[in-house]
Amino acid sequence: AQKITQTQPGMFVQEKEAVTLDCTYDTSDPSYGLFWYKQPSSGEMIFLIYQGSYDQQNATEGRYSLNFQKARKSANLVISASQLGDSAMYFCAMRDDQTGANNLFFGTGTRLTVIP
Amino acid sequence: DAGVTQSPTHLIKTRGQQVTLRCSPISGHKSVSWYQQVLGQGPQFIFQYYEKEERGRGNFPDRFSARQFPNYSSELNVNALLLGDSALYLCASSFIAGVSDTQYFGPGTRLTVL
Repeated sequence: AQKITQTQPGMFVQEKEAVTLDCTYDTSDPSYGLFWYKQPSSGEMIFLIYQGSYDQQNATEGRYSLNFQKARKSANLVISASQLGDSAMYFCAMRDDQTGANNLFFGTGTRLTVIP
Repeated sequence: DAGVTQSPTHLIKTRGQQVTLRCSPISGHKSVSWYQQVLGQGPQFIFQYYEKEERGRGNFPDRFSARQFPNYSSELNVNALLLGDSALYLCASSFIAGVSDTQYFGPGTRLTVL
């Protein structure tokens, strides 16, 4: 079963504006972790932000924040004050305890383009 | 501190050949995971090792194998290469292997099978 869904293949945002990238997930495990990664054209996956299923507050890391709505099973990434360097693929990922291996399940990604 | 390193950066092989990819984790990290990323898709889990033992395996054929060494570095081996094995192979390391443990990725090895 699909564990992570990213419905936006591509998004455009004006420089200095904020943008929200959508992510929904599916798990029956009460303990799980949600991650966002950025992948520039070079290929390396860069960790951005983490949200635990038991965390009471939404995670924030600099210009990145995670809008965590547990009942809706959504974990949207918000990037504030977009910069040209933010243009990249963004992947939402989840890890739960069901498999025992604690591996990450990734979505199909969203390509973000920042317009000058 | 150095991040996750992978070698080689690029590799070109022909069908039927065998390939070995290498990964060195971040210092202090004991868990290494391997992922395959086909063009246009998200990474797919292949293997996870923790303290030199296999902790999990994704839905990949037996042609894929891996191991972790006492210094926590790891190798991924793929035998009898197929055209469909062409992909970016990503290695990720983490301190342990828990649900909340962040995995940090290396730059990847881009494998092309002709």
